[in-house]
Amino acid sequence: AQSVAQPEDQVNVAEGNPLTVKCTYSVSGNPYLFWYVQYPNRGLQFLLKYITGDNLVKGSYGFEAEFNKSQTSFHLKKPSALVSDSALYFCAPEGSWGKLQFGAGTQVVVTP
Amino acid sequence: DTGVSQDPRHKITKRGQNVTFRCDPISEHNRLYWYRQTLGQGPEFLTYFQNEAQLEKSRLLSDRFSAERPKGSFSTLEIQRTEQGDSAMYLCASSPLGGSTDTQYFGPGTRLTVL
Repeated sequence: AQSVAQPEDQVNVAEGNPLTVKCTYSVSGNPYLFWYVQYPNRGLQFLLKYITGDNLVKGSYGFEAEFNKSQTSFHLKKPSALVSDSALYFCAPEGSWGKLQFGAGTQVVVTP
Repeated sequence: DTGVSQDPRHKITKRGQNVTFRCDPISEHNRLYWYRQTLGQGPEFLTYFQNEAQLEKSRLLSDRFSAERPKGSFSTLEIQRTEQGDSAMYLCASSPLGGSTDTQYFGPGTRLTVL
């Protein structure tokens, strides 16, 4: 059975500091892996995805994610966080028919 | 490209009533998904259409739920005899078919409140 874990309910970081949001997964095969962000009262927005190749994937708004096959992890990172990055972040491996299995989400709070 | 649209954005109904939601995917996107998101949780998959064919349904989709995608364009999700536990955000997403371009793009969602 597939599962995805985001071990932190909330991550607090000061503006300008590096931001990391953790994700580990347990799925069969070599799944595609996605990160989405959700702002209050808005739909999910695609950030980035890992398909194959380079383990470091660059995405929107300065975010990047590092795929680690041996640790089955796909952590989201940003070198210098902004207050506007405060939002809810979801990791999601892709299953059959392309359906996404979302984690519970991690709330990021960036303080000025 | 106008993105995925959903209607209505908000729906308040009384327990036992039927409700129907509509999703208009991005033009020429073959794949269409419905998800449900409850407070404090990530979205959960409900059902998937490839063109007009409904190819997968989650066990979350009880017999009170039905979804259609006539002509492979817009989709509707109907909930009959609503229950308070149906209160959630219902999200629709679409994607092109196949290849590495299969990113799902989400609509703004329909928030359902069952009183």
